[in-house]
Amino acid sequence: QQQVKQSPQSLIVQKGGISIINCAYENTAFDYFPWYQQFPGKGPALLIAIRPDVSEKKEGRFTISFNKSAKQFSLHIMDSQPGDSATYFCAASTSGGSNYKLTFGKGTLLTVNP
Amino acid sequence: DGGITQSPKYLFRKEGQNVTLSCEQNLNHDAMYWYRQDPGQGLRLIYYSQIVNDFQKGDIAEGYSVSREKKESFPLTVTSAQKNPTAFYLCASSLLANTGELFFGEGSRLTVL
Repeated sequence: QQQVKQSPQSLIVQKGGISIINCAYENTAFDYFPWYQQFPGKGPALLIAIRPDVSEKKEGRFTISFNKSAKQFSLHIMDSQPGDSATYFCAASTSGGSNYKLTFGKGTLLTVNP
Repeated sequence: DGGITQSPKYLFRKEGQNVTLSCEQNLNHDAMYWYRQDPGQGLRLIYYSQIVNDFQKGDIAEGYSVSREKKESFPLTVTSAQKNPTAFYLCASSLLANTGELFFGEGSRLTVL
């Protein structure tokens, strides 16, 4: 049973464009939603995270939009750059953000063309 | 520099052999984790440890074993009982198990021939 569904699997965007990655979840007990960024041959790194008490969180060019009623959250990358080309994972967990309860999406491979 | 060191980066083994992947952290984190990453499958938790001498099974623990004798170290053994061991293995740590950011190592790619 996949508890966090991520789409699309891959995404190609032109430099300067907006990249949008979507995730949907089923478990209404989830209360922590991080996004991780992974470059080839490296481990993932935390990019940005949100809790359900807010609908949006912005850090630089990266924004998480959260829709609690629809059980969906998305990552928006504004002014996408070739250096943003990476795999992005959404995740969700319960109990205030327990790392051992993190459920990851299957990932989105983003390619930003120059 | 603080971080997580995984070794070896690449490992080839024959079917039926046990292999041990090393994970060391100097972040003074209490919690450590092992994940498996397969193409198009996301990250799946194998084992985690919240304190020394204690560890818990994750979602896909069958065929794997771990130990946590020191705070800094959390080695993973892939046993011959693991039916499909070829994968990318990631070690991670966090200050506490119940909150905060996961810090990942650069991974170990195991290929079983």
